Amino acid sequence: EAGVAQSPRYKIIEKRQSVAFWCNPISGHATLYWYQQILGQGPKLLIQFQNNGVVDDSQLPKDRFSAERLKGVDSTLKIQPAKLEDSAVYLCASSRTSGRAVVGELFFGEGSRLTVL
Amino acid sequence: DQQVKQNSPSLSVQEGRISILNCDYTNSMFDYFLWYKKYPAEGPTFLISISSIKDKNEDGRFTVFLNKSAKHLSLHIVPSQPGDSAVYFCAASAKYGNKLVFGAGTILRVKS
Repeated sequence: EAGVAQSPRYKIIEKRQSVAFWCNPISGHATLYWYQQILGQGPKLLIQFQNNGVVDDSQLPKDRFSAERLKGVDSTLKIQPAKLEDSAVYLCASSRTSGRAVVGELFFGEGSRLTVL
Repeated sequence: DQQVKQNSPSLSVQEGRISILNCDYTNSMFDYFLWYKKYPAEGPTFLISISSIKDKNEDGRFTVFLNKSAKHLSLHIVPSQPGDSAVYFCAASAKYGNKLVFGAGTILRVKS
């Protein structure tokens, strides 16, 4: 099966500019996650979708970050305006919700590396 | 507030020997634990998991041990191979499918 697709792979912007990342999960995966991984740290969950509904966005900085998952398939994560501390890799992941699912197993994309200057 | 801690930033092991990666957690509500492996420029990939009702789970060269009283788990790789060189993340979940909390990772280098 095709993996989780993310774009762009790399993005360099100046602070106060905006940026958007796109994710297409594995076909049939109902749950989609956006994680932020700052250098030297583990991935931190920003938002979790079940189909097109938000399950958890408690750690999403809502004053500058937004995410949507229209039609319950692909998703976009937007940052506006960006700050220096937003420099990180943004990982999208998806998971099965039934059948052959291994509890908690997420399938990650390659990530989008953001550098804010 | 780090709920999942991997206190060793890096580990170096000789090929063929055992690699032991450690992880501690503080949240007693965690009941499912996973290990992910990450190569450079790739996303993390699932390696092995364990439920809190077990104290050991084995998959080929990989074994995860869970000590609930100590809130500690470890990943054993035997024998270690150069292709195992990667960053290993420990993760925990409080219930099915909900919010995985990751540790900071341990860089494993297996020398040939």
